[in-house]
Amino acid sequence: GESVGLHLPTLSVQEGDNSIINCAYSNSASDYFIWYKQESGKGPQFIIDIRSNMDKRQGQRVTVLLNKTVKHLSLQIAATQPGDSAVYFCAERYDFNKFYFGSGTKLNVKP
Amino acid sequence: DAGVTQSPTHLIKTRGQQVTLRCSPKSGHDTVSWYQQALGQGPQFIFQYYEEEERQRGNFPDRFSGHQFPNYSSELNVNALLLGDSALYLCASSWHSSSYNEQFFGPGTRLTVL
Repeated sequence: GESVGLHLPTLSVQEGDNSIINCAYSNSASDYFIWYKQESGKGPQFIIDIRSNMDKRQGQRVTVLLNKTVKHLSLQIAATQPGDSAVYFCAERYDFNKFYFGSGTKLNVKP
Repeated sequence: DAGVTQSPTHLIKTRGQQVTLRCSPKSGHDTVSWYQQALGQGPQFIFQYYEEEERQRGNFPDRFSGHQFPNYSSELNVNALLLGDSALYLCASSWHSSSYNEQFFGPGTRLTVL
């Protein structure tokens, strides 16, 4: 299968600033995308999802943007907090119920 | 409402041994997927079970097998363990009938092969 890649392996931000985590996907047939947060020693935690027929979706303090033209996905976190420090993965669904993950971006929030 | 649970939390085995990992899906979910996550990498899809049958499979050898029970819980079995099988094994559950079905993950089982 094709892989999901991320532009930045590590992102450091100041507490209170906004964070943007990017993800490039290569499979144009992917129809569904999920952002996950994974803290050390824990399983991935669902943050927000977006369908391929949408270009933006908002949650609590998070927004996901999808640009199918350039196959790009981003996760915006508003007013980043120390508790947001973790590794973030984007996952794309290529086959029904079969998800492909990238290698992740580590977010460091400085107090 | 209980989320996805996995057991055991940690496991240490030696090369050549066999291991069984267990997963109980989130209440209301009927589909279980298994992933392998090596240190510093994203999860890799192993296989998925629905209605007690393997429905999808990733690029993993036949040493990896599974089972789903009538109550939707699932097992992952790995035979003839290799050092490279050391990883965090994650179980994710979802509801098959939903076209855009969120996958929820359990905490994982950390397998160390010596």
